[in-house]
Amino acid sequence: DAEITQSPRHKITETGRQVTLACHQTWNHNNMFWYRQDLGHGLRLIHYSYGVQDTNKGEVSDGYSVSRSNTEDLPLTLESAASSQTSVYFCASTSGAGGHVEQFFGPGTRLTVL
Amino acid sequence: EDQVTQSPEALRLQEGESSSLNCSYTVSGLRGLFWYRQDPGKGPEFLFTLYSAGEEKEKERLKATLTKKESFLHITAPKPEDSATYLCAVQVSKDQFYFGTGTSLTVIP
Repeated sequence: DAEITQSPRHKITETGRQVTLACHQTWNHNNMFWYRQDLGHGLRLIHYSYGVQDTNKGEVSDGYSVSRSNTEDLPLTLESAASSQTSVYFCASTSGAGGHVEQFFGPGTRLTVL
Repeated sequence: EDQVTQSPEALRLQEGESSSLNCSYTVSGLRGLFWYRQDPGKGPEFLFTLYSAGEEKEKERLKATLTKKESFLHITAPKPEDSATYLCAVQVSKDQFYFGTGTSLTVIP
């Protein structure tokens, strides 16, 4: 069965370190997204991609970057981790035009920055 | 400012006690409104998409409706397995959308 996976599921790091969160989907979807979820804020879009070599900034993109070298993967990099980036991160994908029809979400990565 | 507000924040129901969750929005233009279910420790699971006022969608005990300013998720005769957080999201353009903070539903046997 097609799926979307994230790794690691839990990560503890220190302030200033570079961290990369992996997202892999086997749906063959063109559109992929990264969100963060914090209490009181709901899900907020960090970056998204509508295809290979395409990346776009979302609402809260400062301090994050993504790259899309193939259809299946969209890794999220925190260039220099900050305590404010402690959160739960979700990756999602969809085949729908416009990006937000029937999104499939991964299980999430809980990141703690000390 | 575009905004999505869900109410109540938390809801406790007895099994079989029907109720509704609310998602109100103030946006410049609605392209779509989405409902998701999220279980603890998991990613959101898509439930419905609504595109225009008057539209309704149903799935088992859930029914979503849409007006020009809000959407309701009606839960008929809920069961304990319906316990979850229900999220609402609105899309205002190809690249802009907003999630609400969710309603945490607990159904007591």
